[in-house]
Amino acid sequence: EPEVTQTPSHQVTQMGQEVILRCVPISNHLYFYWYRQILGQKVEFLVSFYNNEISEKSEIFDDQFSVERPDGSNFTLKIRSTKLEDSAMYFCASSEEVGEKLFFGSGTQLSVL
Amino acid sequence: AQSVSQHNHHVILSEAASLELGCNYSYGGTVNLFWYVQYPGQHLQLLLKYFSGDPLVKGIKGFEAEFIKSKFSFNLRKPSVQWSDTAEYFCAVMADNYGQNFVFGPGTRLSVLP
Repeated sequence: EPEVTQTPSHQVTQMGQEVILRCVPISNHLYFYWYRQILGQKVEFLVSFYNNEISEKSEIFDDQFSVERPDGSNFTLKIRSTKLEDSAMYFCASSEEVGEKLFFGSGTQLSVL
Repeated sequence: AQSVSQHNHHVILSEAASLELGCNYSYGGTVNLFWYVQYPGQHLQLLLKYFSGDPLVKGIKGFEAEFIKSKFSFNLRKPSVQWSDTAEYFCAVMADNYGQNFVFGPGTRLSVLP
């Protein structure tokens, strides 16, 4: 079965540093998403992306966050200046159509020290 | 804005026991409903979904869920759980068939004792 891949699986960074989390969605999918899960809390929606632009974003997705699809295969989440509270598991997902099954990657555990 | 609640934070069952996990949402319009499962150390996987039609939906691994519109509920059931069902279960709602904003419930941890 096709899968969404995320790299790295674990990222450790110092507070204030920039991080880029990478995702390769399933090749024929058109809709891309980032979610995060802070330890012990629920999965939260961050942003959705379609046709090379953000479709929706949550309150969490402030100016420190950005997404990009630089080359037609990768889908990246950038955090400009990380904070301690950004520590979480970040999940990328993709779907063929809106409302269709989301395929999730295995996540990147971000630890901000 | 829509919200999703799950009745139990942690459920502990013995193998072969029956399971029902509660999920309620607050949104008056058309909804798509989902149950996701997250096994220890793995990513979220879709168990089942409801878009329209028969309100009793069957998913993978013997799970089913029933959409009761009047109660704004979408409870997950399994007649006989196995140790391998130990996982975190998330109910999720997408409103109005076009929104791309999934709202997840807080999750219910299921521990099945062998």
